[in-house]
Amino acid sequence: GENVEQHPSTLSVQEGDSAVIKCTYSDSASNYFPWYKQELGKGPQLIIDIRSNVGEKKDQRIAVTLNKTAKHFSLHITETQPEDSAVYFCAASMGRDDKIIFGKGTRLHILP
Amino acid sequence: EAGVAQSPRYKIIEKRQSVAFWCNPISGHATLYWYQQILGQGPKLLIQFQNNGVVDDSQLPKDRFSAERLKGVDSTLKIQPAKLEDSAVYLCASSRGTSVNFGPGTRLTVL
Repeated sequence: GENVEQHPSTLSVQEGDSAVIKCTYSDSASNYFPWYKQELGKGPQLIIDIRSNVGEKKDQRIAVTLNKTAKHFSLHITETQPEDSAVYFCAASMGRDDKIIFGKGTRLHILP
Repeated sequence: EAGVAQSPRYKIIEKRQSVAFWCNPISGHATLYWYQQILGQGPKLLIQFQNNGVVDDSQLPKDRFSAERLKGVDSTLKIQPAKLEDSAVYLCASSRGTSVNFGPGTRLTVL
């Protein structure tokens, strides 16, 4: 089955700097890659996603890149702000109504 | 639109007791998932429903866990008897298409 690896497990960046989280997946049949943000006491919230027919997608300060050949995908957050502090999960799926397989998460700390 | 609703939000029980969690998905979402999230880890799928049928329950410990979605809308997840290692957050999610929406979760503590 699909296996998603995520690193780093913890990341601290100065406010205003950029943060990058990297993931790899094992199953070449996966074609949908969402990223979730989870704040304390809440369920994961979808922040951005990318499909395998696209190499990059951007939404304001957040961007995601996908290298389908290498089975790598990454989340980039620019101009980080205190409210970006949370746990971020990458995930992979085979598409419509298919189960989401999660990485182990990255705890992001934005330092003042 | 209203999000995925779950109850209770917190539950504390002793080992060997039973417990049940309830989920109401987003209206119109045919697919419903139950995930288990142990502290410090990513969510792990327990069971997936499509309407009232089970699509995937390969990771559900069937000797103690059960789930149902009788009318294809609400769902319940039950643990009987509970073990210490069942302490976790149980997340319900629903989808229509590729975007999966999660509820706030039920935090279970087994003493």
